[in-house]
This record gives sequence, C-alpha cells and structure tokens, in this order.
Amino acid sequence: GDSVTQMEGPVTLSEEAFLTINCTYTATGYPSLFWYVQYPGEGLQLLLKATKADDKGSNKGFEATYRKETTSFHLEKGSVQVSDSAVYFCALNSNDYKLSFGAGTTVTVRA
Amino acid sequence: DTGVSQNPRHKITKRGQNVTFRCDPISEHNRLYWYRQTLGQGPEFLTYFQNEAQLEKSRLLSDRFSAERPKGSFSTLEIQRTEQGDSAMYLCASSLVVVHEQFFGPGTRLTVL
Repeated sequence: GDSVTQMEGPVTLSEEAFLTINCTYTATGYPSLFWYVQYPGEGLQLLLKATKADDKGSNKGFEATYRKETTSFHLEKGSVQVSDSAVYFCALNSNDYKLSFGAGTTVTVRA
Repeated sequence: DTGVSQNPRHKITKRGQNVTFRCDPISEHNRLYWYRQTLGQGPEFLTYFQNEAQLEKSRLLSDRFSAERPKGSFSTLEIQRTEQGDSAMYLCASSLVVVHEQFFGPGTRLTVL
C-alpha cells in the first residue's frame, strides 16, 4: 500500500538557517505529492504540491521537487524565520481521494 | 470565513458514552473526508463522501463508528460506546471532485476518560 516516510524531528534551527526535511514515498501509479503545515493551535494548511514527475512546488519561500527516480519530495527553505516554527507533513494521493501522511516533523526556529 | 468548520472543538467523555461530531465543508465542495490523528502521528484516512454517498471506508472505521452526509452538505461522525483508544483529533476536510487539494478544518479533539 501507499506509505510516506519523513525525517524524524524535532529539528531546531537558528533564524536565517537553511531547512531541509526529507520525504520519501511508496505508491502505486503516479501519485500527487503534498506538503502540509500545522502551526501551533491551528489546523492543517496546504503549503505546496506537485502532481507529476519533475514538477516543483513552491510557496512562502519553501520548495519541493517531485523526484520519481528517487521517490522523494524533500522540502527546502533557504532562510527560515521564527514564524516558520510548525509541524510539517509530507503526504501523497495515488487514488483520487485518500491522502496518506507521514508522521510529521516538528521544526522550531530560534531568534 | 468560508473555510471548513468543525464542532465541537473539544469533547471530553466517559468510556462507554456516545459522541457525535459535525463538519461543515466549504460550500461548493462536493467531497468530504474524515481523518483521525493521534499524538505524534500524521492523519489517517477514515472515510469519504461524494455528495451524500459514502464511497470508501477504512478498516480503521470499526462498526462503532458511523458517518453520514444526509443532504450532501454537512457531515456527522458518531462514535458509539467510546473506548480510551478512541482519544484522538478527528479532522474533516473537503475538496472538489476534480482537484486533489483537500482543505482541512481545525479538528475536534476527543478525550475518553
């Protein structure tokens, strides 16, 4: 079945540091890939998505590229801010309805 | 605000009691999903509706769980004879049929004592 494995946290960074959160997946067919973010006290929000191989999703300075050959969708941001402190979830959708999520990575950015 | 809303936001109940949660999706969305999220884990799919039809149920949805979406608008999720293992955050999401992007509500946190 479908599964998502993402980097374990927690991750603690200083402001302006580079952030990478690794995500790999197993799926049938050609899934769509997503990163969702959950800020403290808030619900899940879609951060970015990619629907086919080599697509790059980007939003709010975050980027992730759909790599079919390595079945990966790693999230990156060049210069993090305190406001980026949140839990980040990698997810995939291979069958038109069900999202399969990773366990989440908690990121804390210190001033 | 026209996002997905869920009520109540928190529910504390005693083991063996029944509970019901409500989800109001984004108005033009014809798909509605329920997920469950336990501490330190990502959300897990429970079930989904397209309009009023329930099209898929996860094996996680035991016979104590029932979900309805009677008029293709809001949905309810009922848990009968609650157990401590049911303690979790219950998330609702909605989407359009042709778009894979799901929009999530804030969740209902259930605590079973």
